[in-house]
Amino acid sequence: DGGITQSPKYLFRKEGQNVTLSCEQNLNHDAMYWYRQDPGQGLRLIYYSQIVNDFQKGDIAEGYSVSREKKESFPLTVTSAQKNPTAFYLCASSFWAELSNQPQHFGDGTRLSIL
Amino acid sequence: KNQVEQSPQSLIILEGKNCTLQCNYTVSPFSNLRWYKQDTGRGPVSLTIMTFSENTKSNGRYTATLDADTKQSSLHITASQLSDSASYICVVSAILSGTASKLTFGTGTRLQVTL
Repeated sequence: DGGITQSPKYLFRKEGQNVTLSCEQNLNHDAMYWYRQDPGQGLRLIYYSQIVNDFQKGDIAEGYSVSREKKESFPLTVTSAQKNPTAFYLCASSFWAELSNQPQHFGDGTRLSIL
Repeated sequence: KNQVEQSPQSLIILEGKNCTLQCNYTVSPFSNLRWYKQDTGRGPVSLTIMTFSENTKSNGRYTATLDADTKQSSLHITASQLSDSASYICVVSAILSGTASKLTFGTGTRLQVTL
């Protein structure tokens, strides 16, 4: 089955530690995205990538970094510079050229908590 | 500022009953409006996407309407089932340039269907 796989489902971070969230898709989608979901707020875009080796900052990129070395993979690193990292992180993908009328497909998220 | 507001914030209905969720937006220039269903601890799943010219779109027991003049949308759920218990998120896409667009997410309506 085609889809998006995020791992791990739960992740704990110590103060001053960087952690990396994995996102893999086998939908042959060009574009991939990372969102953050907090209680009572809509999803907020962290980073997105239209093609391999290219990515753009979203609305809340500070304290995060990404890479796009393969079309299928778009890992997100939450750095120690992110002072409030506790949240539910969602990865999504879509066909970029027809983004306007194509849905984004989401993974099942990673819940990050601070120890 | 682009905004998407959903109401009610939460809703409890009896199994078998119908319900309607509301979405008001101030997003421009408008590209399309999407409804997603998000089960607890899972990623959102696309229900419908409507462009400017579409007034109604159905997906099984889910029917979305769009009034682009008043910038309002509704999601009607018919003959609710326990499995409809979830958050329903309204997402509006604004055209940036070319094929690029930006999504604005509502905070969702939390629906609980009970026996």
